[in-house]
Amino acid sequence: GQSLEQPSEVTAVEGAIVQINCTYQTSGFYGLSWYQQHDGGAPTFLSYNALDGLEETGRFSSFLSRSDSYGYLLLQELQMKDSASYFCAVRALLDDYKLSFGAGTTVTVRA
Amino acid sequence: GAGVSQSPSNKVTEKGKDVELRCDPISGHTALYWYRQSLGQGLEFLIYFQGNSAPDKSGLPSDRFSAERTGGSVSTLTIQRTQQEDSAVYLCASSSVGIYNEQFFGPGTRLTVL
Repeated sequence: GQSLEQPSEVTAVEGAIVQINCTYQTSGFYGLSWYQQHDGGAPTFLSYNALDGLEETGRFSSFLSRSDSYGYLLLQELQMKDSASYFCAVRALLDDYKLSFGAGTTVTVRA
Repeated sequence: GAGVSQSPSNKVTEKGKDVELRCDPISGHTALYWYRQSLGQGLEFLIYFQGNSAPDKSGLPSDRFSAERTGGSVSTLTIQRTQQEDSAVYLCASSSVGIYNEQFFGPGTRLTVL
C-alpha cells in the first residue's frame, strides 16, 4: 500500500513563502500530485510531478525527488485566498488510476 | 455546467435508514471515484470504477456500503442501515485516461446521521 505524510498545519503572513513537505512510502508510483481544498469546497488539482525536479505554475511550485521519497509544494507571495488545505497524492503503479491522498496540510494566511 | 455534479447537497437521516447518493461525472470520463471526508480530515478512498472493469471496492468500510455505475456514467453510492459514524462529506470525482490522472471533484454530499 501507500503511505503519505505531511504536516497538519502551517501558518504564515501575507507575502511570505510556505513549503509543504510530503514524504511517502510506496512500492512504485507514476507521479506525485497536489490538490487544494478551500473550507467547504471541493478539492481542485494544482500540480503533478512525474519526473524529479521542480514544476512551476505561477506562484505555486512543486518538487519531487524519487530517490528521497520526498516532494513539496511551494507557495510564494502568499495571499489571503491561499488559506486552504493542501493534499499530496500518489498514483501507484499497481493501482491503475487510483490516487492515495495524504491527510492534508491546513495553511492559514494572516494579514 | 460541464463539471461533476452530486445530489443531494445535504442529507439528514435517522440512524438505521438507508440513503442513496448520486454522482454525475464529466461526460467522457471513464474513471469515477468515491471518497469520504470527515470533518477536518483527509480523503478516504471508498470505491473506484474504470470503464467496464470490475470496480475496486477495497476502500468500502463495511458491507453496508455499496455502489454501482450504470451505463458507464452516473453512479449511486448506497449506505444501508446508516450509523452516526457514517456522518461525513461524500465526494465523487471523475477523470479521463491519461498520465496526469487529474481528478475533477464534485461539490460533495454532506450526510448527517442523527
